Amino acid sequence: NAGVTQTPKFQVLKTGQSMTLQCAQDMNHEYMSWYRQDPGMGLRLIHYSVGAGITDQGEVPNGYNVSRSTTEDFPLRLLSAAPSQTSVYFCASSYERQLLYNEQFFGPGTRLTVL
Amino acid sequence: KNEVEQSPQNLTAQEGEFITINCSYSVGISALHWLQQHPGGGIVSLFMLSSGKKKHGRLIATINIQEKHSSLHITASHPRDSAVYICAVSDRNTDKLIFGTGTRLQVFP
Repeated sequence: NAGVTQTPKFQVLKTGQSMTLQCAQDMNHEYMSWYRQDPGMGLRLIHYSVGAGITDQGEVPNGYNVSRSTTEDFPLRLLSAAPSQTSVYFCASSYERQLLYNEQFFGPGTRLTVL
Repeated sequence: KNEVEQSPQNLTAQEGEFITINCSYSVGISALHWLQQHPGGGIVSLFMLSSGKKKHGRLIATINIQEKHSSLHITASHPRDSAVYICAVSDRNTDKLIFGTGTRLQVFP
């Protein structure tokens, strides 16, 4: 199993550009999520999905869109990049819908810089 | 005040030392997670626990639900243990993960 994969690993954007960060998992996990990691702060939840066709907002959803058309893929779209979105983005997945007793599997991260 | 607080923020040790990292939280939880993030950036789950103690190799994690506190211990530390250790809790009410800011550990030979 490849686990959770993310592309690209690094990206530089100009303010106002749009792009999609890709995330895929091959473990048949129902729950997938996107986090951003900023210096001096814990990981913060952007959006999450409890199954194909179902998405919801996390703590910091503004400026981002997601969709979940398949169990495997959960892309994150930046609609109009801003310097405040400079961050490291992690995709994560877990087997069941609820986090109650579920180990989280993280992707390798995407380091995004917005100029 | 953060809902999940870790201490210390930074820790240096000599190879072989016993290391303790602490995590305190203020919300009701269903589980607590310890994660490891290496300099390359990847995050790996070390432990998930809701009571008592778990051991994996040289790593031991304990949790005291009444005191809302968990510790991660590393015995016989090694330079390859150098990483950021992150505590996260599954909030019982929201079913979301809340992360601490991490403890940066450097182990010198």
